[in-house]
Amino acid sequence: QKEVEQNSGPLSVPEGAIASLNCTYSDRGSQSFFWYRQYSGKSPELIMFIYSNGDKEDGRFTAQLNKASQYVSLLIRDSQPSDSATYLCAVPRWRDYKLSFGAGTTVTVRA
Amino acid sequence: GAGVSQSPSNKVTEKGKDVELRCDPISGHTALYWYRQSLGQGLEFLIYFQGNSAPDKSGLPSDRFSAERTGGSVSTLTIQRTQQEDSAVYLCASSRRTSAENEQYFGPGTRLTVT
Repeated sequence: QKEVEQNSGPLSVPEGAIASLNCTYSDRGSQSFFWYRQYSGKSPELIMFIYSNGDKEDGRFTAQLNKASQYVSLLIRDSQPSDSATYLCAVPRWRDYKLSFGAGTTVTVRA
Repeated sequence: GAGVSQSPSNKVTEKGKDVELRCDPISGHTALYWYRQSLGQGLEFLIYFQGNSAPDKSGLPSDRFSAERTGGSVSTLTIQRTQQEDSAVYLCASSRRTSAENEQYFGPGTRLTVT
């Protein structure tokens, strides 16, 4: 079982719609969860982190965490063409905090 | 403050030559990672330096790859006898490595081309 798994994509959504990205993780002891955005040809950029169960909102982004289900998601509301990128979920191991990344989900927002 | 910096930004080398890639982490960050990303592919973990503990080298693809971190700060990734399959973007990242503040920040990367 992979440490972090994401829905494979690619995900295509019309402009203005909600893009929903999912991530599951295997380490029950993980305490913090991160979402990165990577534009083509650029390095990953941290866009959200969440530590507690529930929702965390930042602008058009909402991260949702359910530790019991070992599931974290990212919602992008009012999607814009500039949101077209690959989104990476990252989860640290509890014993040494080493960050593991999912394979990423590529999102394309259609104008 | 300054982010993670890497040098050089681009490196072209001939097959068989050795190369050194440098990473300067964010000041105060005790954890440092090296990743490799080939065109259109995901992040491939290479090595993880975690404070004063022994580094996690489990991702290094062969014994041609090595890395060191001097004084808990700057790190150098060395690739000996480069091969064409080593061509990729090499990314460095750093974090505070605590349970409360483990956000990892990436440098701009070094694009390595082996001809």
